[in-house]
Amino acid sequence: AIQMTQSPSSLSASVGDRVTITCRASQGIGNDLGWYQQKPGKAPKLLIYAASTLQSGVPSRFSGSGSGTDFTLTISSLQPEDFATYYCLQDYNYLWAFGQGTKVEIK
Amino acid sequence: QLQLQESGPGLVKPSETLSLTCTVSGGSFSSSRYYWGWVRQPPGKGLEWIGSIYYSGSAYYNPSLKSRVTISVDTSKNQYSLRLSSVTAADTAVYYCATLTVTNQFCANAVCPDYWGQGTLVTVSS
Repeated sequence: AIQMTQSPSSLSASVGDRVTITCRASQGIGNDLGWYQQKPGKAPKLLIYAASTLQSGVPSRFSGSGSGTDFTLTISSLQPEDFATYYCLQDYNYLWAFGQGTKVEIK
Repeated sequence: QLQLQESGPGLVKPSETLSLTCTVSGGSFSSSRYYWGWVRQPPGKGLEWIGSIYYSGSAYYNPSLKSRVTISVDTSKNQYSLRLSSVTAADTAVYYCATLTVTNQFCANAVCPDYWGQGTLVTVSS
């Protein structure tokens, strides 16, 4: 099974900061990766699919990049509503797997 | 707009079988545009993919759970179901049903199906 290693597990940042979260796959997955945001008590919400395509309705400060084994989610200017936990999800060859999550907290 | 709703017991005894159903409304369950998935989240922990099924009945499971999991569909009722056998306290979690797809296979024009139930807490305890 493909393992997803996400880092960091948590980070503290201020409003306006640029934030980067990474996911590494244990083998190449092309661009079959997405990024989700989850707030406490809520279901996850898809932000990015196919590694770099912004889901409709998601603010343009979110962006994704990467292919193969290394992927990045970037928030260009952190807003108060962005404090949440973020997960990558790979969907390759009929075996899905989430990363461990990154909790973005207020500094 | 699709709506998904989980249903089933909130309390299951150790060694018994957990059974949940997801009812899909507001769209065609037999659409070829979705994989219907189950995801769980233990209290205070991360998300874990359990398995996914296509409307045709082709099912795919997390290798770590495969020996205990069965996912099935009932297209006549617009439902799909999860059965997890021999449960222990480690299976205590919020269980979500969701359309899980993050590839271009079913996404187009910046729209990827992203529908989730509200989640249901299942506690394993005697």
